[in-house]
Amino acid sequence: GENVEQHPSTLSVQEGDSAVIKCTYSDSASNYFPWYKQELGKGPQLIIDIRSNVGEKKDQRIAVTLNKTAKHFSLHITETQPEDSAVYFCAASLESGGGADGLTFGKGTHLIIQP
Amino acid sequence: NAGVTQTPKFRILKIGQSMTLQCTQDMNHNYMYWYRQDPGMGLKLIYYSVGAGITDKGEVPNGYNVSRSTTEDFPLRLELAAPSQTSVYFCASSYYPGPIWSGYTFGSGTRLTVV
Repeated sequence: GENVEQHPSTLSVQEGDSAVIKCTYSDSASNYFPWYKQELGKGPQLIIDIRSNVGEKKDQRIAVTLNKTAKHFSLHITETQPEDSAVYFCAASLESGGGADGLTFGKGTHLIIQP
Repeated sequence: NAGVTQTPKFRILKIGQSMTLQCTQDMNHNYMYWYRQDPGMGLKLIYYSVGAGITDKGEVPNGYNVSRSTTEDFPLRLELAAPSQTSVYFCASSYYPGPIWSGYTFGSGTRLTVV
């Protein structure tokens, strides 16, 4: 089955700086790569996703890049703000998948924005 | 729309007791999932369902049971609670196959402590 590795487990950055979180996956058949943000006491929420036919996707201060050859993808947050502090999870799946083959999650990155 | 609703939000159980974690969604999603989240371990799939009357095991099903009698509800049953079941439990749902499968909607979680 799919295995997703996520690094770092904790990331502390100064407010206004950029943050980068990296994930690798094992199954070359995976085609869909979402990122979830989990704030304290809440469930994960989808913030951005990318499919295998796209190398990069941006949404305001957030961007995701995908390198299918190397089987890794990254989340980039620019001009970080205090409200970006949260745990971020990457995941991978077959786009046509569901059920037990749906989403395989990384272990999460705790992003801390220092004022 | 309420999305995915989980109850209770918190619960303390004694070893050997039983309980049911409730999950309901109002988005007419056919797929539903139960995950547990342990510190530093990410999200692990317990059980999933692809529609009413159909359930299947995920990665960590031991000690749990589920049922899916309606599209909306997917309760998780813990029989003979053990300290190893202390965790945060998340229910999620998705619609598949849609024109573009776009991941899960999560509930806000149930924090369970077994003492």
